[in-house]
Amino acid sequence: GENVEQHPSTLSVQEGDSAVIKCTYSDSASNYFPWYKQELGKRPQLIIDIRSNVGEKKDQRIAVTLNKTAKHFSLHITETQPEDSAVYFCAASINTGFQKLVFGTGTRLLVSP
Amino acid sequence: DTGVSQDPRHKITKRGQNVTFRCDPISEHNRLYWYRQTLGQGPEFLTYFQNEAQLEKSRLLSDRFSAERPKGSFSTLEIQRTEQGDSAMYLCASSQIPGTSGSGRTDTQYFGPGTRLTVL
Repeated sequence: GENVEQHPSTLSVQEGDSAVIKCTYSDSASNYFPWYKQELGKRPQLIIDIRSNVGEKKDQRIAVTLNKTAKHFSLHITETQPEDSAVYFCAASINTGFQKLVFGTGTRLLVSP
Repeated sequence: DTGVSQDPRHKITKRGQNVTFRCDPISEHNRLYWYRQTLGQGPEFLTYFQNEAQLEKSRLLSDRFSAERPKGSFSTLEIQRTEQGDSAMYLCASSQIPGTSGSGRTDTQYFGPGTRLTVL
């Protein structure tokens, strides 16, 4: 089955810096890659996603890149703000009639003012 | 709040007791998922419903676990004879079959706030 590895497990940056979180997946049939942000005690919230027919997607300060050959995808956050502090999870899924998400282990991002 | 809701938010129980959790998905969503999240880990898939039909179950879902979605709307997850290893956050998510009408992006999974289970 699919396996997703996520790095780093923790990331500390200064406000205004960029942050990059990387994930690798094992199943080349995976075709959907969402990123979720989870603040302490709250629900995971989708922040951006990408499908396998696209190499890059951007939404304001957030971008995701996908390298299907290398089977890795990354989340890029520019001009980080303290409110970006949270745990970020990547996921990969194969459409087998539905999207069964396999999540990474999460990255705790801390943005210091 | 028109998002996914879960009840209760917290449950403390003694080993061996049965517990039941409820999930109310976004109203027009026909897909419903249950996940389990332990401390420091990402959510792990447990089971999936399309309307009232339970179409897939993970091997994580032992025979002490049962889930239902009787009318294709809300869902319940029951754990019988709870064990300390069942302590976790149980998350529900819902989505819409791509191509069907409704609000939001189809096939995107929206999560509820979770039920945190502590088994003493």
